[in-house]
Amino acid sequence: QSVVTQPPSVSGTPGQRVTISCSGSPSNIGSKTVNWYQKFPETAPKLLIYANTQRPSGVPDRFSGSKSGTSASLDISGLQSEDEADYYCATWDDSLKIHVFGTGTEVIVL
Amino acid sequence: EVQLVESGGGLVKPGGSLRLSCVASGFTFRTYFMSWVRQAPGKGLEWVASIGSTSTPNTHYADSVKGRFTVSRDNARNSVFLQMNILRAEDTAVYYCARGAVGANTGSDYWGQGTLVTVSS
Repeated sequence: QSVVTQPPSVSGTPGQRVTISCSGSPSNIGSKTVNWYQKFPETAPKLLIYANTQRPSGVPDRFSGSKSGTSASLDISGLQSEDEADYYCATWDDSLKIHVFGTGTEVIVL
Repeated sequence: EVQLVESGGGLVKPGGSLRLSCVASGFTFRTYFMSWVRQAPGKGLEWVASIGSTSTPNTHYADSVKGRFTVSRDNARNSVFLQMNILRAEDTAVYYCARGAVGANTGSDYWGQGTLVTVSS
């Protein structure tokens, strides 16, 4: 059981904006930065957002991250069919001394 | 071009051992943390272990593998290893090597293609 939780799935139609939440505690999200990874079946994860809000080069600007208190969010604006994938937040837990992935969220494009 | 290439996966019986390797190229390997992450069939991503750079050679492990798995690196060979002992069925997964620490400020920005470990009798 992860100490960081995400909704199992979110859905939207093409062009819509969807938000994926990532809920933790003071020992992880509350005091550490959050990264987001995109994962397609049979392929390696891809870093989408690091340090809460930063996009690596090549990541479209319709992906954005934010953090407030013990929660973080990933927004996908202008949803596209190719965004259909699993998304994971990740952070460090200072009490457990471990890196932790969130439970993962499947984005479904209707 | 940054590349990470894993090897060493395969079929092993419960209680057995396996050693995964990851060879890196295209960057100054010794200056980077390295991580191992796995994904079991139908499950989410799970961080397994991390090892620090030459300047901070600490290791960390997930509770699920602590005492059974050992992460190490050979900077001369640009390689990171995961020695897996006392393997269990629940260790069956695709194992990925990644540059950086998945939950750290800069994240893991490059990943290998993964190697499948199957623990079954």
